[in-house]
Amino acid sequence: DAMVIQNPRYQVTQFGKPVTLSCSQTLNHNVMYWYQQKSSQAPKLLFHYYDKDFNNEADTPDNFQSRRPNTSFCFLDIRSPGLGDAAMYLCATSRGGFGTGENEQFFGPGTRLTVL
Amino acid sequence: GDSVTQMEGPVTLSEEAFLTINCTYTATGYPSLFWYVQYPGEGLQLLLKATKADDKGSNKGFEATYRKETTSFHLEKGSVQVSDSAVYFCAPSSGGSNYKLTFGKGTLLTVNP
Repeated sequence: DAMVIQNPRYQVTQFGKPVTLSCSQTLNHNVMYWYQQKSSQAPKLLFHYYDKDFNNEADTPDNFQSRRPNTSFCFLDIRSPGLGDAAMYLCATSRGGFGTGENEQFFGPGTRLTVL
Repeated sequence: GDSVTQMEGPVTLSEEAFLTINCTYTATGYPSLFWYVQYPGEGLQLLLKATKADDKGSNKGFEATYRKETTSFHLEKGSVQVSDSAVYFCAPSSGGSNYKLTFGKGTLLTVNP
C-alpha cells in the first residue's frame, strides 16, 4: 500500500544534541510537509517542499532545518533541541496541484520526540 | 488571514448518541474543506472532504456539508460508537495555494459505553 512512513516512531535526545527525523513516501507526491504538534494542540506547519523548492513558515525557528534529497525522502533536522521542542512531529504529503482533489494531505504516524 | 473556528471540547457522549461538531472558517478564494481524525498516539487520518459548495462528504457514518453561504462545514454522526473516541480537526485549504491547510484547534470526543 502506498503510504507515508516516519522513522523512528519515538526518539529521545539530549538538550542541545542535534537530531534528525526522517520521512519517506511511496505516493510520488510533489509536496512534503513537516508539522510540529504539541499536546492537545493543532498541528503547526513548520515548512514544506514543493518538489525541490523549500518554503519556510515565517515563525519557524532557525533551529529547525529540512532536506529533501529526492522525491521520496524528507528530513527534519533540529540543530540544538531545547526542552520546548519536545513534541510529536508529523510528516505529510500531497499531490500539490490546484485542481479539486489535488490538495488532500496524507499523514505519517508521527515521531514522538523527547528532550532530556 | 485564513482562520478556523471549531467547537471546543471536550465532548463526552454515550454510545449511540447524536454528534455535531461545529466548524466555521474564513479563507482566501474557494477552499476545499476537510475533516481529519487523530486517534491517541497516531498521525492524522482524512475522515471526509468536500471540494465545492453544497457537496456532502461522508465516511464511516460521519457527514459534513460544504455551506458556502455560512462558511461552515459542521461534522455530524447519527449514532456514535466507543471506537469514535478521538480528536477531530476541521481544516480548510488556505492562503489561495490550495495545498496548505489551516487547522482548527481540534475537538476531543469521548464516547462512553
